[in-house]
Amino acid sequence: DAKTTQPPSMDCAEGRAANLPCNHSTISGNEYVYWYRQIHSQGPQYIIHGLKNNETNEMASLIITEDRKSSTLILPHATLRDTAVYYCIVRVLHAGGTSYGKLTFGQGTILTVHP
Amino acid sequence: NAGVTQTPKFRVLKTGQSMTLLCAQDMNHEYMYWYRQDPGMGLRLIHYSVGEGTTAKGEVPDGYNVSRLKKQNFLLGLESAAPSQTSVYFCASSSFSGGSSYNEQFFGPGTRLTVL
Repeated sequence: DAKTTQPPSMDCAEGRAANLPCNHSTISGNEYVYWYRQIHSQGPQYIIHGLKNNETNEMASLIITEDRKSSTLILPHATLRDTAVYYCIVRVLHAGGTSYGKLTFGQGTILTVHP
Repeated sequence: NAGVTQTPKFRVLKTGQSMTLLCAQDMNHEYMYWYRQDPGMGLRLIHYSVGEGTTAKGEVPDGYNVSRLKKQNFLLGLESAAPSQTSVYFCASSSFSGGSSYNEQFFGPGTRLTVL
């Protein structure tokens, strides 16, 4: 699975958009970008994933650059409840053999949303 | 649906003691996983299971054993606890439908284990 690089921390004002970057310059053609977040003391929660097209769901938008070497998770109107650690993970959709579903978590970005 | 539940929520052990952490899911998921999270770190995969009766090692399996006798349950055992196993343990589960769909992992609330 490709390695990802994220800033250790970011701040955002409540009601503003939070843009969290992720660098994955060694991503392979069949690898997807996934985002999970972990609110303090809870288990991680899936947010969104994508291959090369921009994706949007009820939680966030994912913008992947044309060369796929980086991506940005966008929380359009951040609230205090969005304060969490955000993990960017790159891996194939379905790995063969015995590695189905395995997620490799780095240290993520601590997003703090301020009132 | 309760989703993924973990028992117990907290536990303190002495070095050398044994214990079993229980994970249960009511979503009929095929895959289940055990992760550990040390302070300030991301999650690391201990063991996982792709179906009832099957288990496999993850990144950090040493000192742990697992069993998946029933589809809905995934047990993590520590035979002889060590202080290095002080951590928060998360269980997760996911389904598998093949093709191009992605089946997200659903995580439990965690078990906070301290080994003295």
